[in-house]
Amino acid sequence: EPEVTQTPSHQVTQMGQEVILRCVPISNHLYFYWYRQILGQKVEFLVSFYNNEISEKSEIFDDQFSVERPDGSNFTLKIRSTKLEDSAMYFCASQPLGLAGTDTQYFGPGTRLTVL
Amino acid sequence: GIQVEQSPPDLILQEGANSTLRCNFSDSVNNLQWFHQNPWGQLINLFYIPSGTKQNGRLSATTVATERYSLLYISSSQTTDSGVYFCAVEPPGGSEKLVFGKGTKLTVNP
Repeated sequence: EPEVTQTPSHQVTQMGQEVILRCVPISNHLYFYWYRQILGQKVEFLVSFYNNEISEKSEIFDDQFSVERPDGSNFTLKIRSTKLEDSAMYFCASQPLGLAGTDTQYFGPGTRLTVL
Repeated sequence: GIQVEQSPPDLILQEGANSTLRCNFSDSVNNLQWFHQNPWGQLINLFYIPSGTKQNGRLSATTVATERYSLLYISSSQTTDSGVYFCAVEPPGGSEKLVFGKGTKLTVNP
């Protein structure tokens, strides 16, 4: 069964450094998402991406964050200058249909980001 | 925005017991999914169930959209069922995001 994959599984970085988290969504899916989960808390939406542009973003997704689909398979989340509070598990998700809300969002295994 | 409340927050069972987890939401939804977060942090899809009833082995789920709740049933629980169960909904109005509840932490003891 096709899966969403994410790399790396764990990233440790120094405060102020840039990080890029990578995701390979399920092929032929059309909607892509990033979510994050601070340790012990609930999962929070960051951004959705469709047709090569951001379709929705949360208030968490400020100017320090950006997303890109540089080729036909990868979907990346960049944090320009990491802060301690960016430490969290970051999940990528993809959804198959052109009409969001009509099918399952499939989640990757997550990247645990630790900012020191 | 839409509110998602899950209960109970914590549940401890002996192996073999049955349980019911509840998810209440404050508005109509386009999508509802149940997830199991395992001890390694992975979110495992259990059900896509905006309405109706589905079964998958020892797990089943029912969503009554008109009354704005969903139930997840776990029968004959096993220690591998331990983890956190999340309900997530997609609010109406064209938003695509999933809004998650705080989860129910299930511990199944041998």
